[in-house]
This record gives sequence, C-alpha cells and structure tokens, in this order.
Amino acid sequence: AQKVTQAQTEISVVEKEDVTLDCVYETRDTTYYLFWYKQPPSGELVFLIRRNSFDEQNEISGRYSWNFQKSTSSFNFTITASQVVDSAVYFCALSGRTGANNLFFGTGTRLTVIP
Amino acid sequence: SQTIHQWPATLVQPVGSPLSLECTVEGTSNPNLYWYRQAAGRGLQLLFYSVGIGQISSEVPQNLSASRPQDRQFILSSKKLLLSDSGFYLCAWSVHWGGPNTEAFFGQGTRLTVV
Repeated sequence: AQKVTQAQTEISVVEKEDVTLDCVYETRDTTYYLFWYKQPPSGELVFLIRRNSFDEQNEISGRYSWNFQKSTSSFNFTITASQVVDSAVYFCALSGRTGANNLFFGTGTRLTVIP
Repeated sequence: SQTIHQWPATLVQPVGSPLSLECTVEGTSNPNLYWYRQAAGRGLQLLFYSVGIGQISSEVPQNLSASRPQDRQFILSSKKLLLSDSGFYLCAWSVHWGGPNTEAFFGQGTRLTVV
C-alpha cells in the first residue's frame, strides 16, 4: 500500500530562520516518484519538485533543498532563510504505478513565517 | 502555455440541492483530468480521473459523479448534496502519455460549504 506521512501539522518560524518539513513514505513499488507541492492561501497547488527512486542526490533550488534518503524512506524539504511568502501548506506526494492518477498525498504541513 | 480554470471559487449550497463544478484546461490536448477533495486537516483525496472523453474512473464510493463531455472539460456533479460533501475541491490535469513521474497541475479550487 502507498502511504505518505507528514507528521508536522503546523510549524511557525521567524523570518530568516531555516525550516525543515518532514515526509516519510511507504511503498512496495521498486520504482516510484516523490513530489512536493506548495498550496498558498489562494488555494491552488504549485508543483515544486519531483524525484525518482533511483536518484538519491540531494537537490537545491535557490533557498529550497530536498534530502531524499531511501534507507529511512524520507524525502524532507528545507527552506533556508525563510520569508513571509513561504507561508503556505506544503504537501508531499508519492506516485508509484500508472501515473498521476495514483498520486498519494500526505496531510500537509502548514508553515507560517512570522515577520 | 497551459492553463486550468475552475469555477466557482466558493459555493454555499443547502443540503439536498444539486451541484455542478466545472473545470476546463487550455493549451493542451487529450489531458488526463482529475478531481480531488481536500477536507479540513486532511490530505488530498482523489475522487475521479479521466483519460479521455466519456471515460471516468472513480476512486472512492460517494455521493458525487463526474463527466467529461469534451476533451478539456471536466464536471463534478451531485444530485443531492450531503453535509459531508463540504470541502475544498481541486481539479487537476497531467499529460496523457505521462507515467508515474508525471506531475499534476492544479486549478485554484472551489470551496464548497453545504448548510
């Protein structure tokens, strides 16, 4: 069974602090993909990153970085020097079979960056 | 570029009334289309997906139905709303030929409150 766990329901940080959002997944598929989406107050989900199960290299994009560790089934997301515009709900998701119709989402982490 | 439109943005409906939410995609052909529901404090749950005109797959049994009368139009309906149908509904699309690594692109959502 596919499952994504985001244990942190809400996080608050002060602007310029670093923050890490945790994501733990379960799957029996040997090939799978992990995603992070951002949901700002406007509501739509914005795609941030995709990672496949064969690529454990960490990725950095500006202030965002992702740490994928198969040994612990985790795909954590770090925002460096957080800004107020980072305030949103962040979802981790897993896909392992026949495409986006099997995209399993976690329950999301609400990040509030305090100015 | 591709865009996805979803309306209305908010809706308040009495119990027992019908529902029709519409979603259209522009700038792409033959997309996969999806309806998700996001209940308060929970992740996104896939309700329906469609790989082509008239082709609808349901992920969970419910009081809702979906239709795809045109290639880029996806409609979520109900004949009689229940209180439990309240939530945030998101339409999404992905490329038709995409595999499990394909990201989904989301509309801005409809917040439905059944009273």
